[in-house]
Amino acid sequence: QVQLVQSGAEMKNPGASVKVSCKASGYTFTDYQIYWVRQAPGQGLEYMGWINPNSGGTHYAQNFQGRVTMTRDTSINTAYMELSNLRSDDTAVYYCARNKDGLGVWGQGTTVTVSS
Amino acid sequence: QSALTQPRSVSGSPGQSVTISCTGTSSDVGGYNFVSWYHQHPGKAPKVMIYDVSKRPSGVPDRFSGSKSGNTASLTISGLQAEDEADYYCCSYAGSHVVFGGGTKVTVL
Repeated sequence: QVQLVQSGAEMKNPGASVKVSCKASGYTFTDYQIYWVRQAPGQGLEYMGWINPNSGGTHYAQNFQGRVTMTRDTSINTAYMELSNLRSDDTAVYYCARNKDGLGVWGQGTTVTVSS
Repeated sequence: QSALTQPRSVSGSPGQSVTISCTGTSSDVGGYNFVSWYHQHPGKAPKVMIYDVSKRPSGVPDRFSGSKSGNTASLTISGLQAEDEADYYCCSYAGSHVVFGGGTKVTVL
């Protein structure tokens, strides 16, 4: 079955970077964009950007321009989202999702906590 | 401030119908037939309930339906059930990216 499995929870100091992985299985990885969406505690969903696993092309939300980098490794069917210069308000659950039939399949989420 | 406007909460008794609105602009909801709806239970990942305005993924009950008029999309839940109590988010394509609504809490009385 189609599945996206994300890396485990992270705790980071302010100013550090975090890299979250999203491993795809059950379909051809390069066929569909991978979106990244985050959700701060008690808040709604926030679009961060997407990557085209086939071309490597990306789009980043304006709020994250200059701080986010999305990459992929097609040899292991894995997408990555790296967020730098972390602040306390980056504390959130980060999700990857496959862009087919809406965001039809989601990863389980990765909790990133930013605290000194 | 979210790009798409949803009511903060709606409620209904079991068996009733509720409708959630999602208002955007001609640059998102009104400009494309790519509105999707997600429900999310506490501590869980979102799940798509409707995509492309009114299409239902396999496995989603036909109690869920979507529509759009102008810059406003709507999700209707008919025959409300206890398990429908959740947060619901709309999402629209906006030309190279997507925008989400702020979310609506659906309460089953």
